[in-house]
Formats: sequence, C-alpha cells, structure tokens
Amino acid sequence: GAVVSQHPSRVICKSGTSVKIECRSLDFQATTMFWYRQFPKKSLMLMATSNEGSKATYEQGVEKDKFLINHASLTLSTLTVTSAHPEDSSFYICSAREGTSGTQEQFFGPGTRLTVL
Amino acid sequence: DAKTTQPTSMDCAEGRAANLPCNHSTISGNEYVYWYRQIHSQGPQYIIHGLKNNETNEMASLIITEDRKSSTLILPHATLRDTAVYYCIVRVAHAGNMLTFGGGTRLMVKP
Repeated sequence: GAVVSQHPSRVICKSGTSVKIECRSLDFQATTMFWYRQFPKKSLMLMATSNEGSKATYEQGVEKDKFLINHASLTLSTLTVTSAHPEDSSFYICSAREGTSGTQEQFFGPGTRLTVL
Repeated sequence: DAKTTQPTSMDCAEGRAANLPCNHSTISGNEYVYWYRQIHSQGPQYIIHGLKNNETNEMASLIITEDRKSSTLILPHATLRDTAVYYCIVRVAHAGNMLTFGGGTRLMVKP
C-alpha cells in the first residue's frame, strides 16, 4: 500500500511554544489530507480536512487559529500547534487519500506524540 | 454517514480465526463498509472495504450480509501481532469524505 510519513514521531515542548508536524505522502499524490487527534484510550477525532491549494476545513470545536494547517503541495501537509498548552498533549495522526476517487482507501501516517510541559 | 456498533472487546486464540462483527443497520445504498485497525501507538492501517459483495485480500475477508445491515471481518489465522483495535466504518465514497471512527473492537490474541 501507499506510504504516509510524519515528522517528528515524538516532540516535547514547553508551554507557549509552537510545534510544526509534517505529513508526507511518499509514493503518491494526495489531493486531500486529514488531520486527527487521539487522546489515551480514546478513538480518533477528526480535526480538519486539508485540500491542496485551498484553506482547510475544520471540524466544529477545533480552533483554526490554534491549529494552523497548510497543504502547499500534493505530497505535503503541515499542522502547526500554536502557543501549545499541556491540554494540547495528544497523539496527532494524518492521513491521505490517493487521487480523486472517493472509493480509494485512506492511508495513515504513524502519528506524532506531542507532550507539552 | 451511518453509525456502526461493535463489541468493545474480544479475545481470540493464536492460530484460530478471529471473527469481528459490526452492525450498521442504517447503512444507505451508496455507503461502503471499511475496516481499519490500530496497533498500539501507531496510525490506523487499512484492512479491507466492500459495498455488497464479500471481499478477500491477503489480510482478511469481509462478509457483508445480503441486507447489508451487518458485516463480519475475518482474520483466518490470528497471530499475536493482530492484537489491535479494529474499526468498522461506513461512509459514502466521495473524494473529500473523511472517515469517522467509533470506539472499535479491542481484539486480544492470546497464545
């Protein structure tokens, strides 16, 4: 299957700093990428849908000024957690869909574990 | 997208078949059934999907009832590495349509 990578895999930062997480589709072009957040022992919660070359669509309750998403190319989307606080500590996962066919499966990255001290 | 209901947890003996059920009684005609799994501290992994016919690939088989109101994911010979949370998701196959994850089934494969 197609490969999606995330960088970094783990990050620890101080409260008030900003953290950027990269999501890359390594062997395919992804028109649409998705960002999820997962708290311990909980399911994945969709944060936003990112379309290449346009603004991201955020789910209700997700602050777009706090979670900045940029999808500048067909292989890269970034999530920046601005002014991070301890409650932002979570497992962040991106996914990407190849092409424009809705029947094609989404491929997920390995996740990034963010710890805010 | 239609809601799914899965058992919270299941156990399976290593080497035996694992049969994971999923109810999706409100599924509509244009919604597909997708299965993903998530091993601890990793991103979800695609397993299989189908519309109405049974499907099989190198990982698993998907059995969808004739009325499409339920399905079963079958891992024919479970191994310890199959221990994971398995998510059954139904969704309309639009390009921009995201996956909505429920609670899933925590499958524990035991030696």
